[in-house]
Amino acid sequence: DTEVTQTPKHLVMGMTNKKSLKCEQHMGHRAMYWYKQKAKKPPELMFVYSYEKLSINESVPSRFSPECPNSSLLNLHLHALQPEDSALYLCASSQAWSGRSAEAFFGQGTRLTVV
Amino acid sequence: AQTVTQSQPEMSVQEAETVTLSCTYDTSESDYYLFWYKQPPSRQMILVIRQEAYKQQNATENRFSVNFQKAAKSFSLKISDSQLGDAAMYFCAYRDMEYGNKLVFGAGTILRVKS
Repeated sequence: DTEVTQTPKHLVMGMTNKKSLKCEQHMGHRAMYWYKQKAKKPPELMFVYSYEKLSINESVPSRFSPECPNSSLLNLHLHALQPEDSALYLCASSQAWSGRSAEAFFGQGTRLTVV
Repeated sequence: AQTVTQSQPEMSVQEAETVTLSCTYDTSESDYYLFWYKQPPSRQMILVIRQEAYKQQNATENRFSVNFQKAAKSFSLKISDSQLGDAAMYFCAYRDMEYGNKLVFGAGTILRVKS
């Protein structure tokens, strides 16, 4: 199983809503990532979790709150988002965060629209 | 800081022909990885090929091969016998060993395949 599964695939939410994105992998990877991608742009790193601990927060606004309940699961809690937060949110995982631990595997993403 | 530059916003190729996508990067490190990722309209980022900087031999994966010129900091992707399914956005990416699996992406190249 070399899959990273993200749910939901599409999400429309109002600016006052609270919602969560979910990411799951069963490859035994110990590093997991959230990326944000605007149309026709490269992904931008938001957060890195290594061994279920937050290792990198790329100065992401607090309306985005990541959570890693266990080594297979990564959530992104959303609250009071703005229309400019509309984007594709990609989850990825890799064996480890550092060293020669090969490539990151990406999920299919959640297309988020904030209205 | 490391940077990755893809100077071709769009490229076109006739089915069954060969196309080369360009990528240059800037780093002061000697040990790193380079990647080409493909992102079709289905959104998932798919790893096409990777190159380890300490390996002189150019990586090859079926119809995909790279021309890695370490001194020139150049990493181009050659797609042979192009197929309709190769149409996608292609991102060149760099990963620094020191900072772990933090991918630095280029701006991307849209590849169109004509039948």
